[in-house]
Amino acid sequence: AQSVTQLGSHVSVSEGALVLLRCNYSSSVPPYLFWYVQYPNQGLQLLLKYTTGATLVKGINGFEAEFKKSETSFHLTKPSAHMSDAAEYFCAVSRAGYSSASKIIFGSGTRLSIRP
Amino acid sequence: EAEVAQSPRYKITEKSQAVAFWCDPISGHATLYWYRQILGQGPELLVQFQDESVVDDSQLPKDRFSAERLKGVDSTLKIQPAELGDSAMYLCASSLNTGELFFGEGSRLTVL
Repeated sequence: AQSVTQLGSHVSVSEGALVLLRCNYSSSVPPYLFWYVQYPNQGLQLLLKYTTGATLVKGINGFEAEFKKSETSFHLTKPSAHMSDAAEYFCAVSRAGYSSASKIIFGSGTRLSIRP
Repeated sequence: EAEVAQSPRYKITEKSQAVAFWCDPISGHATLYWYRQILGQGPELLVQFQDESVVDDSQLPKDRFSAERLKGVDSTLKIQPAELGDSAMYLCASSLNTGELFFGEGSRLTVL
């Protein structure tokens, strides 16, 4: 079975400050890991994903995440927060290998607020 | 840019009534998902289709929920009868089995 835990349901940072959103996963098989962003009253949009290869992955809007197998973590970071980054962020996990049976499990989400 | 279309965007209904949501995935996407997102929580998978076949419906409350994708293209999710606890955002997503899900804007259901 797979699961995702996002630490902190709400994170608030100042504009220009470092953004760090935490995600830990549990998986009995090699995982694929994802970060999605959701703006109010909208669907989710993929920020970035880790499948294989380089453990540091870069996504859209200046975000990046690092897969750390030893820590079972996939934390999302951005060096400098912008007001437009305010949104809900979801970490997700699936089993490695793309197949019709791949099931993507989402965490409970972290709401990011940006202070002027 | 191709998008996942969902309708209606908003639905208000009284408990015990029937309600239906429609989803048209991105053309060529064989996999279609219905998720339920309760306010303040992450999306929970209700049902997953591969073409017209159900791959996973283990979390679908089958006594009141049903889903179909008859021709392997668009899909309908039905709730009958609706209960107060069904109030949520119902999200449809599609995928080319690349690991990336493309989501629609969702259908927000309020049950009174």
